[in-house]
Amino acid sequence: EIVLTQSPATLSLSPGERATLSCGASQSVSSSYLAWYQQKPGLAPRLLIYDASSRATGIPDRFSGSGSGTDFTLTISRLEPEDFAVYYCQQYGSSPYSFGQGTKLEIK
Amino acid sequence: EVQLVESGGGLVQPGRSLRLSCTASGFSFGDYTMSWVRQAPGKGLEWVGFIRSKASGGTREYATSVKGRFSISRDDSKSVAYLQMNSLKTEDTAVYYCTRKLVGPYWGQGTLVTVSS
Repeated sequence: EIVLTQSPATLSLSPGERATLSCGASQSVSSSYLAWYQQKPGLAPRLLIYDASSRATGIPDRFSGSGSGTDFTLTISRLEPEDFAVYYCQQYGSSPYSFGQGTKLEIK
Repeated sequence: EVQLVESGGGLVQPGRSLRLSCTASGFSFGDYTMSWVRQAPGKGLEWVGFIRSKASGGTREYATSVKGRFSISRDDSKSVAYLQMNSLKTEDTAVYYCTRKLVGPYWGQGTLVTVSS
């Protein structure tokens, strides 16, 4: 069973800054089957990135994903006010298809 | 427009059963894997399980925490996926979401299941 560990747990930044969120896997994620979601309070998660680096439809290009194997990164190049939320990674390379525990991106 | 609507949540006692429904519209339901994800109050996301399309064998996979207690099924004629939850525990309290495919942009709004005596 693959365990995903996200870091940091909380990230405090200001609008306009660059955000770097990490997701580490306890075993190699098959075929880079790694997704990133954004979730705001009371809402369902929103898919941002799939296959480690492919942006989902309608996602702004300030969001980018990278990585392979056991180390993955979500980068938000220039934070907008609406980007402050909780972010989750999920691996779907091998069952059970686990999520990370989340990174809360908060306004500094 | 793709829509997923969960229903069937509510308050249930430990040890009892509950069945959730996910009613889909706006796409060819039978062609897709349907998944369930849950989120305990104030906690992160937890994958629960999925059922593949009949064309892909209709097979199911489950999280370790629910295997043997939960069962996913589908009725393609009604465009509905089900999550049958048996032997419920207090730790099963969560908002339950259905999603199209294992990973994708389409999620329902969620339905709250509270397991408490």
